[in-house]
Amino acid sequence: DAGVIQSPRHEVTEMGQEVTLRCKPISGHNSLFWYRQTMMRGLELLIYFNNNVPIDDSGMPEDRFSAKMPNASFSTLKIQPSEPRDSAVYFCASSQQGASQPQHFGDGTRLSIL
Amino acid sequence: GESVGLHLPTLSVQEGDNSIINCAYSNSASDYFIWYKQESGKGPQFIIDIRSNMDKRQGQRVTVLLNKTVKHLSLQIAATQPGDSAVYFCAENVARGAGGTSYGKLTFGQGTILTVHP
Repeated sequence: DAGVIQSPRHEVTEMGQEVTLRCKPISGHNSLFWYRQTMMRGLELLIYFNNNVPIDDSGMPEDRFSAKMPNASFSTLKIQPSEPRDSAVYFCASSQQGASQPQHFGDGTRLSIL
Repeated sequence: GESVGLHLPTLSVQEGDNSIINCAYSNSASDYFIWYKQESGKGPQFIIDIRSNMDKRQGQRVTVLLNKTVKHLSLQIAATQPGDSAVYFCAENVARGAGGTSYGKLTFGQGTILTVHP
């Protein structure tokens, strides 16, 4: 079975550029989560969707960050303009709806902003 | 300058020993708990979960124990192997929030680094 698929795996770009991270959740999962992981702060939840609708975006650090889920099989996290402090590993996870369902993670996008 | 970051607990064991990784959770309303394993360069991988109506659950070489009285969770790994070396995270969930559902939102612990020596 295909797991959560993220692209790209690595992204290196200069500050000020727009960055778009992509995620394909596991088929049949209707909750999707975006996380950021750094040495300083560990794993942070940025935003999550249920049935393609954003439920809680309180973890999004700034207006430079935005996320969309146009359909059940695709989500994007966009940073515009990017800054060096955005450098981190960004993970996408998905789960089935309902109480007590584990999230399944992709292998992340390692983002470096120069 | 000196780098500042999270100081994760560490556990070093010999191959073949049993490992116990501990986690204290904060929300007494949490009713679902998960252990994840994260290897270098990969995302967290689901290991085992437990609901609050249980105090023990066993998987393949792993056992999770839940003590709700003191809000403590532990992961036991039997006959630890070098391939078990990773960072281990506990996570908690409140299945029913104020609005009726939490949609599976998890709160993660900081993690424990497990190193297994051959």
